Amino acid sequence: GIQVEQSPPDLILQEGANSTLRCNFSDSVNNLQWFHQNPWGQLINLFYIPSGTKQNGRLSATTVATERYSLLYISSSQTTDSGVYFCAVFYNTDKLIFGTGTRLQVFP
Amino acid sequence: EAGVTQFPSHSVIEKGQTVTLRCDPISGHDNLYWYRRVMGKEIKFLLHFVKESKQDESGMPNNRFLAERTGGTYSTLKVQPAELEDSGVYFCASGQTYGYTFGSGTRLTVV
Repeated sequence: GIQVEQSPPDLILQEGANSTLRCNFSDSVNNLQWFHQNPWGQLINLFYIPSGTKQNGRLSATTVATERYSLLYISSSQTTDSGVYFCAVFYNTDKLIFGTGTRLQVFP
Repeated sequence: EAGVTQFPSHSVIEKGQTVTLRCDPISGHDNLYWYRRVMGKEIKFLLHFVKESKQDESGMPNNRFLAERTGGTYSTLKVQPAELEDSGVYFCASGQTYGYTFGSGTRLTVV
């Protein structure tokens, strides 16, 4: 089956720093989503991005489907950005295959 | 538009007991999915309903787990009897095409 790997696995930042999270997938996919699981366990949809670039406030995402990767940019990070970031892909079916996650900790 | 609603938000039960989780999808969404994240691992697919029918239940871990979707509206996921390894966060999602909206999850702790 398809492999979805994220890097780095862990990231520690000071408030105000910028970061880039990466998601690699091993086969062509039908679509891709980025999620943030906050410290309370809630899973928040960030982007639905099969290709191209989207921006929402301090967050932006770019997917290059032909090269099988997606990037999530976080600018001017805040403590509320802490949590685990997941990318997930649709592969041949309409169920999501989640990546391994990147755990982000932002300190004041 | 109301989102996907799950309850309870948190449940603590003893090993061997039964727990039932409920999910109310976004109104009009035919597709309903259950996922879970256990032991800090990846989020894994459990099953998929299209209306009241089980489209894919390949992710259900064993026969202690039973999912239903009454009349194609809300869904329940019953764990009976619960084991320690069932602890984790159970998510429900609904959607019409490839876009999913997830609920806030139910954190299940089996002690």
